[in-house]
Amino acid sequence: EIVLTQSPGTLSLSPGERATLSCRASQSVSSSYLAWYQQKSGQAPRLLIYGASNRATGIPDRFSGSGSGTDFTLTISRLEPADFALYYCQQYGSSPPVYTFGQGTKLEIK
Amino acid sequence: QVQLQESGPGLVKPSGTLSLTCAVSGYSISNGYWWSWVRQPPEKGLEWIGEIDHSGSTSYDPSLMSRVTISVDKSKNQFSLNLRSVTAADTATYYCVRNGAYCLEYWGQGTLVTVSS
Repeated sequence: EIVLTQSPGTLSLSPGERATLSCRASQSVSSSYLAWYQQKSGQAPRLLIYGASNRATGIPDRFSGSGSGTDFTLTISRLEPADFALYYCQQYGSSPPVYTFGQGTKLEIK
Repeated sequence: QVQLQESGPGLVKPSGTLSLTCAVSGYSISNGYWWSWVRQPPEKGLEWIGEIDHSGSTSYDPSLMSRVTISVDKSKNQFSLNLRSVTAADTATYYCVRNGAYCLEYWGQGTLVTVSS
């Protein structure tokens, strides 16, 4: 079973700053199988990035994903007030099919 | 665009069965994709429960496999979750989701189910 570890647990930044969120896998993950989600309080998660670096429909280009193997990164280039939320990474395992999530990173206003 | 809406009892007794339905609009389940259930205990992270496709093929998380059944009703364009022998640890917000390419693309708003006597 692949375990995803996100860091930091909480990230305190100001609007306009750059945010870098990390997701580390316990074993190598295909880039095609790595996704990122944003969850605001009281709302369902929203898909941001799939295939490690592909933005989902309607996601602004200030969100970008990168990485390979065991280390993946979500970058938000210029934080806006609406970006302060919880962020989860997720990997897909094919044998058997299973989706697993990291524990989340809370992005809070400094 | 595709929309998903969960429905079902908000309170289930311990040892009982949690039953939820997801109504899909804006897309016909018969046309494809896999469809998942995901849950989130209060103030905790996300947990994938399982998935189903239009033909009724299923996959389940190994930790829940012995208690879970996911089914599909194409005539009503909906799919359902049954979770047996529930305990307080099954208290969570349950989401239904349309899968994307190795990701979970379209989410319902979620429904809170509490297990309590």
